[in-house]
Amino acid sequence: EAEVAQSPRYKITEKSQAVAFWCDPISGHATLYWYRQILGQGPELLVQFQDESVVDDSQLPKDRFSAERLKGVDSTLKIQPAELGDSAMYLCASSILDRGILTTGELFFGEGSRLTVL
Amino acid sequence: AQSVAQPEDQVNVAEGNPLTVKCTYSVSGNPYLFWYVQYPNRGLQFLLKYITGDNLVKGSYGFEAEFNKSQTSFHLKKPSALVSDSALYFCAVRDLDTNAGKSTFGDGTTLTVKP
Repeated sequence: EAEVAQSPRYKITEKSQAVAFWCDPISGHATLYWYRQILGQGPELLVQFQDESVVDDSQLPKDRFSAERLKGVDSTLKIQPAELGDSAMYLCASSILDRGILTTGELFFGEGSRLTVL
Repeated sequence: AQSVAQPEDQVNVAEGNPLTVKCTYSVSGNPYLFWYVQYPNRGLQFLLKYITGDNLVKGSYGFEAEFNKSQTSFHLKKPSALVSDSALYFCAVRDLDTNAGKSTFGDGTTLTVKP
């Protein structure tokens, strides 16, 4: 069964350091999402890509967070510098979204990358 | 703006009893509604969805959910709970009338099924 791959699963870093997360969506899924899940809360959308283009990054803290999906396949989310409040689970998800047509598709999530900032 | 409310942080049931996990939503247009389950330190897994049609939808692991448009609710149910159903459950909504595809999640309900 096809899966969304994420790495690393766990990351411990000190504040002010840089950290990066990688995601490889299910093959053929045009839409890719990065969510942040703080303990005790639901996932919150950080950024959404349609192919290589950003569709929604309104909740991405752009002073320290960046995301790219250069070839429209895998994606990287970077934080620089990391702050204590960034400790969370970072979830990548993908879905089928045909160009110009909204499908009814559910999201397929990876296992997540748990970040701890000391 | 769209939103989801899960009014119960925790639901406790005995094994073999029916369970209900509540969800209400708010969207400006017609909703797509989803339930996901999350086990500790794992990603979310899709359980079921309502798009259109029959208000009672069936999903994985014997779960079902009932869409109620007048009450803007989409409660998750199972006739007979198993200890293995213990997990964190999230309700999510997508607004049918926007095609950005953004899903908004509730804060989750922890289901504990006791033997």
